[in-house]
Amino acid sequence: AAGVIQSPRHLIKEKRETATLKCYPIPRHDTVYWYQQGPGQDPQFLISFYEKMQSDKGSIPDRFSAQQFSDYHSELNMSSLELGDSALYFCASSLGHDGTYEQYFGPGTRLTVT
Amino acid sequence: KQEVTQIPAALSVPEGENLVLNCSFTDSAIYNLQWFRQDPGKGLTSLLLIQSSQREQTSGRLNASLDKSSGRSTLYIAASQPGDSATYLCASPPGGSQGNLIFGKGTKLSVKP
Repeated sequence: AAGVIQSPRHLIKEKRETATLKCYPIPRHDTVYWYQQGPGQDPQFLISFYEKMQSDKGSIPDRFSAQQFSDYHSELNMSSLELGDSALYFCASSLGHDGTYEQYFGPGTRLTVT
Repeated sequence: KQEVTQIPAALSVPEGENLVLNCSFTDSAIYNLQWFRQDPGKGLTSLLLIQSSQREQTSGRLNASLDKSSGRSTLYIAASQPGDSATYLCASPPGGSQGNLIFGKGTKLSVKP
């Protein structure tokens, strides 16, 4: 069965650079969630999209932006990177956005900021 | 605001033992509760999803229960194996939310051969 695809799997950037993370949801899933997991931490919700519109917003820095495209894939854009942005970034997709649907997680993108 | 707590933070057991991992949440108006497994530096593997209307779910050696009134869920692992060693996280989207998951900090399980 198709799973959530994230690219790249690993990314190394320097401080103040920009990074773009991509997420391809499971086919027919219309909702995408982004989470950030710092070292030794639990995943924290960043932002979500339903039918290409922003659905909810969590603890996402103003330096970050995201969108969902017509083919339902999503991109997380991160600017002016800081050392503290080093983390695992997960994307999850689901069939709906009202909280009753199971979320399926991608393998994550490991971002290292040096 | 939903808070999810997992006890214990770490657990070490000998192979073959049955064990229980605990998860508690403050907002009982949840839609569902998911249990995940995470190996070091890896992604999240969904183990079980219990809808708010259900009391338990089973998958192989895993059984998860949900008691909304007490704000508790448990994950029971039967006949533990060294391959079960991982961090187990529970998570729930709070009622009224758009589905974003609130995670516990996890229980790190080590099963000794």
